[in-house]
Amino acid sequence: NAGVTQTPKFRILKIGQSMTLQCAQDMNHNYMYWYRQDPGMGLKLIYYSVGAGITDKGEVPNGYNVSRSTTEDFPLRLELAAPSQTSVYFCASSYFQGVSGNNEQFFGPGTRLTVL
Amino acid sequence: DAKTTQPNSMESNEEEPVHLPCNHSTISGTDYIHWYRQLPSQGPEYVIHGLTSNVNNRMASLAIAEDRKSSTLILHRATLRDAAVYYCILNRQGAQKLVFGQGTRLTINP
Repeated sequence: NAGVTQTPKFRILKIGQSMTLQCAQDMNHNYMYWYRQDPGMGLKLIYYSVGAGITDKGEVPNGYNVSRSTTEDFPLRLELAAPSQTSVYFCASSYFQGVSGNNEQFFGPGTRLTVL
Repeated sequence: DAKTTQPNSMESNEEEPVHLPCNHSTISGTDYIHWYRQLPSQGPEYVIHGLTSNVNNRMASLAIAEDRKSSTLILHRATLRDAAVYYCILNRQGAQKLVFGQGTRLTINP
């Protein structure tokens, strides 16, 4: 299993440009997440999905959009990039094992995005 | 959501045990205590979790206070590879979302 994969690894955008960060998992997990991590800080949840066709906002959704058309893929879209979106973006997935389960999240390697 | 408090940083020596504390005085009865760690330039990885009893796995041990208001992650014999930021997270039973604080940056000296 490749686990959670993310592309690209690095990207520089100009203000106002748009891009899509790709995330895929091959573990048949139903839950997927997008986080951002600013320097020296913990991760903040942007959006998450409980299954194909279902997405919901996290703590910091403004400026982002997501879609989940398949179990495997969960792309994150930035429409009008701003310097405040300079961050490292992590995708994660988990399998809901019930209320007493671990529900461990598996993280990808991250995408480092700079907006100038 | 109940909050956790961790020291910003800790330092230890290679091959010695490390005890990473976490305070969670407002924990509720259905909150699990999870630990994740983030190695440099990588995404976080799961370490261990528990509810009331102490837990052991191949990576670490988790000691939970009797009143559950604090817990300690124990690395029995630290290696250089254990240098990372360690996050203590409370996760409501059945909840899927994790709320990350700033964690404890652990430095291991050779």
